[in-house]
Amino acid sequence: EAAVTQSPRNKVTVTGGNVTLSCRQTNSHNYMYWYRQDTGHGLRLIHYSYGAGNLQIGDVPDGYKATRTTQEDFFLLLELASPSQTSLYFCASSDVTGGGEQYFGPGTRLTVL
Amino acid sequence: GQQVQQSPASLVLQEGENAELQCNFSTSLNSMQWFYQRPGGSLVSLFYNPSGTKHSGRLTSTTVIKERRSSLHISSSQTTDSGTYLCALDSSNTNKVVFGTGTRLQVLP
Repeated sequence: EAAVTQSPRNKVTVTGGNVTLSCRQTNSHNYMYWYRQDTGHGLRLIHYSYGAGNLQIGDVPDGYKATRTTQEDFFLLLELASPSQTSLYFCASSDVTGGGEQYFGPGTRLTVL
Repeated sequence: GQQVQQSPASLVLQEGENAELQCNFSTSLNSMQWFYQRPGGSLVSLFYNPSGTKHSGRLTSTTVIKERRSSLHISSSQTTDSGTYLCALDSSNTNKVVFGTGTRLQVLP
């Protein structure tokens, strides 16, 4: 059974739209991460969290909010989506910060028209 | 500058040939993780390798901290090896993971 799941797997929205991406992990890990992947940039860290109620800013946070409601659940919010946020989004978990060994979800492909 | 340099950017092989993928890094590390990204986008963790050499089937990962490099060797390549290979540096300086931009591998029959 997959330890990190994401939903939805695909999403299309329009500019200005409101989008929530969901991630759940059953690894009992403290740390969870949101990344985006774009051609030529590899994966870039948006936000991360080390526990319920905690949020840390990553390297490319502009235009994104995130919330960690429980140890298992981490959400990424795009409140006014823009075409520049069209990307492949990954959620990951790890036992320690600095990454440790990272366990990834299957990804969510988001298109903003 | 970029903390992780991955090379080559792309590679085309004939089935049966070997491949050597490199990651060079400019910061101190806790570990290096190698991933295979399927054409559909999902990531498969291949190795989590702080130092030394690890083997898994036809794959070998070697991390040499003093030389600030990590390599992934694929022996006897198969068409199903085609995809993108990513390295990820677990940095002790920033406590973050930094990804390389990947090597796109195509193995021809």
